[in-house]
Amino acid sequence: QLQLQESGPGLVKPSETLSLTCTVSGGSISSSSYYWGWIRQAPGKGLEWIGSIYYSGSTYFNSSLKSRVTMSVDTSKSQFSLKLRTVTASDTAVYYCAGDSNGYHHWGQGTLVTVSS
Amino acid sequence: EIVLTQSPGTLSLSPGERATLSCRASQSVPSSYLAWYQKRPGQAPRLLIYGASSRATGIPDRFSGSGSGTDFTFTINRLEPEDFAVYYCQQYGNSYSFGQGTKLEIK
Repeated sequence: QLQLQESGPGLVKPSETLSLTCTVSGGSISSSSYYWGWIRQAPGKGLEWIGSIYYSGSTYFNSSLKSRVTMSVDTSKSQFSLKLRTVTASDTAVYYCAGDSNGYHHWGQGTLVTVSS
Repeated sequence: EIVLTQSPGTLSLSPGERATLSCRASQSVPSSYLAWYQKRPGQAPRLLIYGASSRATGIPDRFSGSGSGTDFTFTINRLEPEDFAVYYCQQYGNSYSFGQGTKLEIK
């Protein structure tokens, strides 16, 4: 059974860069069947798709975040990562990583990232 | 970008009743790449339906989805207490996007 686990700082200062990593286990991150994604949910808000990456490195981003987002994949470590630059308080959210194979069948437990000085 | 609009915003029902949720897309969703998720507080979203009408692994047949093009429906028959949560539709046929959610609350 595919498992995903987010890791990274829970507190980031305004204007700095939020960095998160998702570790995939129980399956291959290089599987051609999966796109790997990041989704977030701000307090009291709905789900927001941030972006997706394929094992080859191809990326797709939410147009509203595109200018601030970078994603990468490290197949040797079975990890993919998110960087969100120049954060503000509105980037405070629970961040989820997920695996898409005709829908997001697999999710990490989520990690709360708070943007505050 | 495909915008998904869910209705109603809140649905108040009693256990044992049927819930019907709607998701309308601003343009046709390619190949009916439309999913439904359940979101409970403090938990990760749970995939219920993919491909508009296919149930994910382990999902009871009380849950069903239908539709194509721009109009999709999600139904829960015989509501159980644990079904009261927020439900999101998502399209993954043209990039990705989520609807704003429907809160299913106990009447």
